[in-house]
Amino acid sequence: GAGVSQSPRYKVAKRGQDVALRCDPISGHVSLFWYQQALGQGPEFLTYFQNEAQLDKSGLPSDRFFAERPEGSVSTLKIQRTQQEDSAVYLCASTRGLDEQYFGPGTRLTVT
Amino acid sequence: GNSVTQMEGPVTLSEEAFLTINCTYTATGYPSLFWYVQYPGEGLQLLLKATKADDKGSNKGFEATYRKETTSFHLEKGSVQVSDSAVYFCALSPTPNKSNDYKLSFGAGTTVTVRA
Repeated sequence: GAGVSQSPRYKVAKRGQDVALRCDPISGHVSLFWYQQALGQGPEFLTYFQNEAQLDKSGLPSDRFFAERPEGSVSTLKIQRTQQEDSAVYLCASTRGLDEQYFGPGTRLTVT
Repeated sequence: GNSVTQMEGPVTLSEEAFLTINCTYTATGYPSLFWYVQYPGEGLQLLLKATKADDKGSNKGFEATYRKETTSFHLEKGSVQVSDSAVYFCALSPTPNKSNDYKLSFGAGTTVTVRA
């Protein structure tokens, strides 16, 4: 079956632009996570949804970052007024419950 | 808070060599422990996991044992192949019965290159 998909795979934004990153989880997966992976580092947690409820957003680095999952399926991570330090790979993962998190291929964001 | 420390790379080995990647963790309670692998050009995949002390996770010839006394979860493989070249991440998730806290904490990753 289809895995987690993310789009776009690559995004180049000029400093100050807004970007929107999309995640399509595996069908039926209740939980969805966003992570940020800087070059040469491990992924860092950003936020977590259970269905449409955002239960944990403690990892969002600033109020420029916003995530939503309005119908409990597709999720969008929005970054406003992008800065160079936002350059990273943004990973989405989904899980049916408390078990294995399945990761998407990521969106590589480069802010110039 | 929870954290994971893993052996820095890069690691370069010859085919059929023995591989060990050290991983230690800091966490309260009884976290679940994972090794994820990222092959070139691909997304993160779960390699193996262990959910309680003394459990051994294994997959594709890789093994790791959950050692609570040393807070470690070292990854080993007895005979590596070129196809094992990848970045390996150690990770933990908090004690399962802690409500609403399922996020993974990752180590920095270890790049492994196996030469033919």
